Amino acid sequence: DGGITQSPKYLFRKEGQNVTLSCEQNLNHDAMYWYRQDPGQGLRLIYYSQIVNDFQKGDIAEGYSVSREKKESFPLTVTSAQKNPTAFYLCASMDREIDTQYFGPGTRLTVL
Amino acid sequence: RKEVEQDPGPFNVPEGATVAFNCTYSNSASQSFFWYRQDCRKEPKLLMSVYSSGNEDGRFTAQLNRASQYISLLIRDSKLSDSATYLCVVKPPGTYKYIFGTGTRLKVLA
Repeated sequence: DGGITQSPKYLFRKEGQNVTLSCEQNLNHDAMYWYRQDPGQGLRLIYYSQIVNDFQKGDIAEGYSVSREKKESFPLTVTSAQKNPTAFYLCASMDREIDTQYFGPGTRLTVL
Repeated sequence: RKEVEQDPGPFNVPEGATVAFNCTYSNSASQSFFWYRQDCRKEPKLLMSVYSSGNEDGRFTAQLNRASQYISLLIRDSKLSDSATYLCVVKPPGTYKYIFGTGTRLKVLA
């Protein structure tokens, strides 16, 4: 099955801890994205990567870090510097041929 | 002005009704437009891309009005299963970034 997977589905973290969210795709897409969604708000871009070993900050990158060592994988680390980390985190990849994004099922992070 | 704006709704309509949503965008050079559907606590799923000539997929019709800088989504013969939030997405030229609207919530009532 081709698609995008994110794990875990739910994640609980204590304040002051770093946590890494997984995103994997087997669609052979070069570009991948991380978004954050808060209740009643639109998706906000955290980081994106156009190709392996390259990534750019999005609109709300502070307190987050990413890596792109493999085409299939784009993990996101939420650091203790992120002031309001509780949110729904969505990973996406982009099919360049049709200029369209596809999303993983998301990870819901709660900081206790 | 926000880059992409949508009426948040909710739009409450009876089954079988026709409903339309608009979405305005600020960058007149934008070339790529999309409608996504998002169910509660789920990921957005592509509903349809919006082409310059307009396009239709079953009960769904999307249109682009470049002069007034808006796209629209028309849903005919609404079903209970159409209840969701509909996200408007615009991709400005020369960028890998997609700009999302906050979504329009639709409730189809029995």
